Amino acid sequence: AQSVTQLDSQVPVFEEAPVELRCNYSSSVSVYLFWYVQYPNQGLQLLLKYLSGSTLVKGINGFEAEFNKSQTSFHLRKPSVHISDTAEYFCAVSNSGTYKYIFGTGTRLKVLA
Amino acid sequence: DVKVTQSSRYLVKRTGEKVFLECVQDMDHENMFWYRQDPGLGLRLIYFSYDVKMKEKGDIPEGYSVSREKKERFSLILESASTNQTSMYLCASQGQAWEQYFGPGTRLTVT
Repeated sequence: AQSVTQLDSQVPVFEEAPVELRCNYSSSVSVYLFWYVQYPNQGLQLLLKYLSGSTLVKGINGFEAEFNKSQTSFHLRKPSVHISDTAEYFCAVSNSGTYKYIFGTGTRLKVLA
Repeated sequence: DVKVTQSSRYLVKRTGEKVFLECVQDMDHENMFWYRQDPGLGLRLIYFSYDVKMKEKGDIPEGYSVSREKKERFSLILESASTNQTSMYLCASQGQAWEQYFGPGTRLTVT
């Protein structure tokens, strides 16, 4: 069965430092990959997505992610974080051409002053 | 911009009550979804709908039903609320490029 693993439940990082949030998935078929952000007491907002093409995907708020098919990973990175990036981040995967997403359990990013 | 609205941000209900959660999207999307979000478990799919009056069970449909009489509106129904249904409920609609757009969520407490 398809699954998504976000190994880090919490990541503390100082302001202006780089950050990487890890996401690994298991699937034997072609996939679409997504990262979403959830600010406190809000719904999820799309950060970026990979459907096909270039494996380096740029998203909103300075985030980017790289699709690595051989390692079945889609890690999210930002070179310099801000206090306002404090939120929960969810990785999601769907088999190409299907409606259904499988979400990871989320990584809570806390940016420290 | 796509807008997905949910009828309530916070709701408190008693055990055994029938509960309706409503979701409306304004982008003429065919696919709509209901998830519940619990700490440490991420988002789990309850039901989704791919057209008016069409629905499919997700991963955790037990204790829930849905209704989609109009394209823009997708309702989640708890026939007889129980305390283990206390959770955050998120509605989403899906665009042409596979991305999902989420509402702000309804935090339901069942006492």
